[in-house]
Amino acid sequence: GQQVMQIPQYQHVQEGEDFTTYCNSSTTLSNIQWYKQRPGGHPVFLIQLVKSGEVKKQKRLTFQFGEAKKNSSLHITATQTTDVGTYFCAGQVDSNYQLIWGAGTKLIIKP
Amino acid sequence: DAGVTQSPTHLIKTRGQQVTLRCSPKSGHDTVSWYQQALGQGPQFIFQYYEEEERQRGNFPDRFSGHQFPNYSSELNVNALLLGDSALYLCASSFSSSVQGYTGELFFGEGSRLTVL
Repeated sequence: GQQVMQIPQYQHVQEGEDFTTYCNSSTTLSNIQWYKQRPGGHPVFLIQLVKSGEVKKQKRLTFQFGEAKKNSSLHITATQTTDVGTYFCAGQVDSNYQLIWGAGTKLIIKP
Repeated sequence: DAGVTQSPTHLIKTRGQQVTLRCSPKSGHDTVSWYQQALGQGPQFIFQYYEEEERQRGNFPDRFSGHQFPNYSSELNVNALLLGDSALYLCASSFSSSVQGYTGELFFGEGSRLTVL
């Protein structure tokens, strides 16, 4: 079946270091969304990418959608304690209403 | 403006029992999707309701059923509970675009945490 693989599973960083998570789909996506889930919380929408090669920025967060629309990445510059949580990508295939979710990357700030 | 509300927040059931979870979507939203999230995993799509009908279903058995009411609120029913049904059940609401097959931003509720003993 259709899958979205997300790596790494965990990333430990010192506050101020950068963080990156990657998603790869087995099939071409019509669009991809990114969500953040804080510990004990629910997923919160961050952004949606639709176009091939699209790059969007939100302050310290940079989102990319690959040229083939099969991969995507989220990069956070100079992490802060407020960035702690699990970041999920979720892709849509064709006109299928279902979003296929990655397993998430947990951002952990080292004390 | 209330966001997505779910009830109950926590519940404990035993194997073989049945459970009903409820969801009220964000004001202005007409579509409700249900997800199951096991600990440490990403959400898994159960089904989506639009115009009081199941529009799409994920890879879940018939023990999982749902309903959408005229006010857009929704219920998720799970029969013959198994230990493996223990999870966080998330309801997400959205507004259906006029573009066929397009899924926009999802707004999630806090979830209902189900424990099956």
